[in-house]
Parts: sequence; C-alpha cells; structure tokens
Amino acid sequence: KAGVTQTPRYLIKTRGQQVTLSCSPISGHRSVSWYQQTPGQGLQFLFEYFSETQRNKGNFPGRFSGRQFSNSRSEMNVSTLELGDSALYLCASSFLTGLNTEAFFGQGTRLTVV
Amino acid sequence: DQQVKQNSPSLSVQEGRISILNCDYTNSMFDYFLWYKKYPAEGPTFLISISSIKDKNEDGRFTVFLNKSAKHLSLHIVPSQPGDSAVYFCAAIPSGGYQKVTFGTGTKLQVIP
Repeated sequence: KAGVTQTPRYLIKTRGQQVTLSCSPISGHRSVSWYQQTPGQGLQFLFEYFSETQRNKGNFPGRFSGRQFSNSRSEMNVSTLELGDSALYLCASSFLTGLNTEAFFGQGTRLTVV
Repeated sequence: DQQVKQNSPSLSVQEGRISILNCDYTNSMFDYFLWYKKYPAEGPTFLISISSIKDKNEDGRFTVFLNKSAKHLSLHIVPSQPGDSAVYFCAAIPSGGYQKVTFGTGTKLQVIP
C-alpha cells in the first residue's frame, strides 16, 4: 500500500510569508502527527490530529497550526515565517491514537526561509 | 528542557562489531520507548520498541535494553553492517493513552567496512 505522502518536498519562502504543507496518511490511518526536525533540536512534536480533532499539541507558538480533513489528510500552516522556521517538517501516520507502537513517516518537506 | 537525551551525537564502529546507542530520559511517566532509523532525505523508519514492563526486546540483529531505575535505554546492533549507517532516534511515549511522542536529538552511526 502507498506510504505517507508529503507535498511539496522542498519549499523556499521569505520571512513574513506563510506556508501550507500537506500530508496524506496511509490509507486507513486516522492519526496524523507533525514534527519539526532541526540539526540542533532533533525531532520536535508539533501536534497530532485524529479523526479531524487535534488531540495533542507541542510547545510551538500559535503561528503553527494544522487541520485534518474527513479523508484524514492533514495540512500544517505556518504564518509570518521566521528564519528559524527553516527545518525539515515530517508527518507520521498511524491507525490509532494513544498507545501506538509505531508510526509511519513521510519523507518530509524541507522548508527554507530566506 | 530535553526530556529524552542522546548524549552521543555520533558513533563510528567497525563492520561486524557491536554498535551500542544510548538514550536517557527524565520523565518517569514515559511508558513506551521506540527506536527509529533515519537515512538522509528520508523520513524515520520504525526499528524496535519496548514497553516499560520489559527490560529487553530482541528483533534479529537489534536488541533494546531498558533500565527503568536508571531511566536509560540502549540499542545494540550485532553485527553492525555498513547499511546500518544512519541517524538513530530514540523516542518515548507517556502513559495516559495519548500519542505525544518525545524524540531524542539523534545519534549518527557510521559503520566502517
């Protein structure tokens, strides 16, 4: 079956702009989580959506938001971009929320803010 | 405040020898631990996991050990192969039923042929 698909793969934006990233989970998966990966901080949890509801949120400012559609596809939006938002953004899907043993990750979207 | 720490940013091991990757955590509410492997330009892939009720889990060449009293887990790869060269992340999930995975900063493993 198809894996987790993230689009676009690469993106360059300027400071102050906004950006929307997309994640299509594995068919049948209802949970989508978003992570930010930077060299110094590793992988940091942004938020998780399950059945169109945000279940969990990490310690990121309100400029980072997301949503999930009825087909489980999820989008993440970052407004008023800052240079420090340059990172690899990963999404992961899983069938259940809660005590999952594993999640399947997409290849990520590499965002560069200039 | 880094609740999951991987204090070695990199590790080099000779092919055929054992690779030991370490991970420490501070939150006693963590209930489940996972290891992920990540190649450049790819998303992480799940490797192996362990529940807090166990102290060891083995899957082929990969074994994860958990020492709850020390809040420490380690991943052993035996024998190490060049294809194991990647960044390894440990991750922890708290009890309580909601998925909020906390990842470590990663250890880059290089297996030298």
